[in-house]
Amino acid sequence: AQKITQTQPGMFVQEKEAVTLDCTYDTSDQSYGLFWYKQPSSGEMIFLIYQGSYDEQNATEGRYSLNFQKARKSANLVISASQLGDSAMYFCAMRERVQGAQKLVFGQGTRLTINP
Amino acid sequence: AAGVIQSPRHLIKEKRETATLKCYPIPRHDTVYWYQQGPGQDPQFLISFYEKMQSDKGSIPDRFSAQQFSDYHSELNMSSLELGDSALYFCASGLGKTEQYFGPGTRLTVT
Repeated sequence: AQKITQTQPGMFVQEKEAVTLDCTYDTSDQSYGLFWYKQPSSGEMIFLIYQGSYDEQNATEGRYSLNFQKARKSANLVISASQLGDSAMYFCAMRERVQGAQKLVFGQGTRLTINP
Repeated sequence: AAGVIQSPRHLIKEKRETATLKCYPIPRHDTVYWYQQGPGQDPQFLISFYEKMQSDKGSIPDRFSAQQFSDYHSELNMSSLELGDSALYFCASGLGKTEQYFGPGTRLTVT
């Protein structure tokens, strides 16, 4: 079964610094997708970025980029120039391939706190 | 842009009661997913529908059932509620394999 590992339960970073949130995954599939979500204290799950296993370039979305190292099975999220509003729980997830649809398997999350 | 709509946002029920959660996916999305997130936990997949047909089932108790209607909205029905069912229930929708957008969630409290 697929598995997602986030080894950092919590991280504290100074405002305006860059931060890297680690994510490693385990799968035997050749085709898969990796997602990052942000969950603020209000509870909603906000989609940040997606990386497909066949994508040759690292995904980027504004201040978010995904450092995809396929051979190492890692998909770390990089947030540049962190802001106070980035304080939240961050989940890495992998798409599990099923016929006709997909479901996400989540890691346990990393709680990021940005200090002023 | 339109987002996934869930109702109600908060629900309080007593043990052994029933609850119905509703989800309205983003227009033209062909797949709906339901997830359960317990306190301090990561979301766990419950069930999904692709073009109104059930496509996959996760750790969903037999007391729970779900369906997707002709207008693509979906309902999660929960019966004989237990204290352990207290959680945040997310609906997500997507089109294709590269996206899955979550709704704001329904916070269910069972007392």
